Amino acid sequence: GAVVSQHPSRVICKSGTSVKIECRSLDFQATTMFWYRQFPKKSLMLMATSNEGSKATYEQGVEKDKFLINHASLTLSTLTVTSAHPEDSSFYICSARNDRESTDTQYFGPGTRLTVL
Amino acid sequence: AQSVAQPEDQVNVAEGNPLTVKCTYSVSGNPYLFWYVQYPNRGLQFLLKYITGDNLVKGSYGFEAEFNKSQTSFHLKKPSALVSDSALYFCAVDNYGQNFVFGPGTRLSVLP
Repeated sequence: GAVVSQHPSRVICKSGTSVKIECRSLDFQATTMFWYRQFPKKSLMLMATSNEGSKATYEQGVEKDKFLINHASLTLSTLTVTSAHPEDSSFYICSARNDRESTDTQYFGPGTRLTVL
Repeated sequence: AQSVAQPEDQVNVAEGNPLTVKCTYSVSGNPYLFWYVQYPNRGLQFLLKYITGDNLVKGSYGFEAEFNKSQTSFHLKKPSALVSDSALYFCAVDNYGQNFVFGPGTRLSVLP
């Protein structure tokens, strides 16, 4: 149980285009999902907290207009990188909390490697 | 503010030997503590967590961690390391039920 998927696993795009990354909880409902960014050999940086049915909460320094988050259902959150630039190239990881669990364990997706040319 | 430290960037251990990956934390109140492992180009896999109860927590793949309140530590241990345990390990503390604060990570290399 507690499987989280991400799609796509890898994406290469041209500068100026937009890229959408999907995060799905496969066998549980998740009111709350998280989006992280990870630079090479670095820890995870929380970008935003996504809550189903409401606006995402962005961390300081993260541009909400550039990183659009939509959490339209209890099993799906999407991150859209708008007008991507090479500096947006990174490894993006989502996680989800199981609504049925009382503790705050986060279950992570496998990650999406974005390369912007 | 909550914070997590992993004092070692890299830990090297011979296969079959016991391993320890260190984690110390700074929180107010009772901490929820977690360990995750990350293999190359992959997401994080949950290993174990401490919420309350026994200070020794057993998790996946033979790993365990000991919560030590007086030393504010939550070190990850395994009695006998495998080469396949080589990966990046993250300690995390729950931030007042809102999100996680991750440590910087420790790269474990198990040498055959």
